[in-house]
Amino acid sequence: AQSVTQPDIHITVSEGASLELRCNYSYGATPYLFWYVQSPGQGLQLLLKYFSGDTLVQGIKGFEAEFKRSQSSFNLRKPSVHWSDAAEYFCAVAPMDSSYKLIFGSGTRLLVRP
Amino acid sequence: DAGVTQSPTHLIKTRGQQVTLRCSPKSGHDTVSWYQQALGQGPQFIFQYYEEEERQRGNFPDRFSGHQFPNYSSELNVNALWLGDSALYLCASSAPGLAVTGELFFGEGSRLTVL
Repeated sequence: AQSVTQPDIHITVSEGASLELRCNYSYGATPYLFWYVQSPGQGLQLLLKYFSGDTLVQGIKGFEAEFKRSQSSFNLRKPSVHWSDAAEYFCAVAPMDSSYKLIFGSGTRLLVRP
Repeated sequence: DAGVTQSPTHLIKTRGQQVTLRCSPKSGHDTVSWYQQALGQGPQFIFQYYEEEERQRGNFPDRFSGHQFPNYSSELNVNALWLGDSALYLCASSAPGLAVTGELFFGEGSRLTVL
């Protein structure tokens, strides 16, 4: 069955430090890959997406993610975290043979220390 | 430009009751998807509506039904509510041609509590 795993439930980083959020997926072929962010009282917002081509993708708010086919991973990174980045982050896949729906991971909550 | 709007934002029901949640998609969007997000979990796909028809459905019972109107707005109906239906219900819309690639715009959700 298709699945998305985000192994870290919570991550705490200091403001200005670098960040990496992990995501692994289980699927027979390379699906479409996404990272969404959910801030309190706000809907999910798309940070970035990978469909094909360059395996390092740039997104909004200074985020980037790298697709590694051999590891079935799509980790999210940011070189310097800001206090406003505190939120819940969701990795998601859309299987190419059933791409009308997104399959989400369980999320990673990011806390930022001042 | 208004984004995806959902109503109501919060509601409380008792077991066995029925609920209707509403969603207006972002301007120019023609496809509406519904997701259920239980506390501490990621959203789970319920179904997607396009051209007033259910195009795909997730693993949810028939108690969950929906509708899409000619103006692209949508409703989610849940019958015979039970405690496990307590969740944040998210509506997402997508632009023509982008629904197949999963690029969605989400509303803030309707938080349903079943007592």
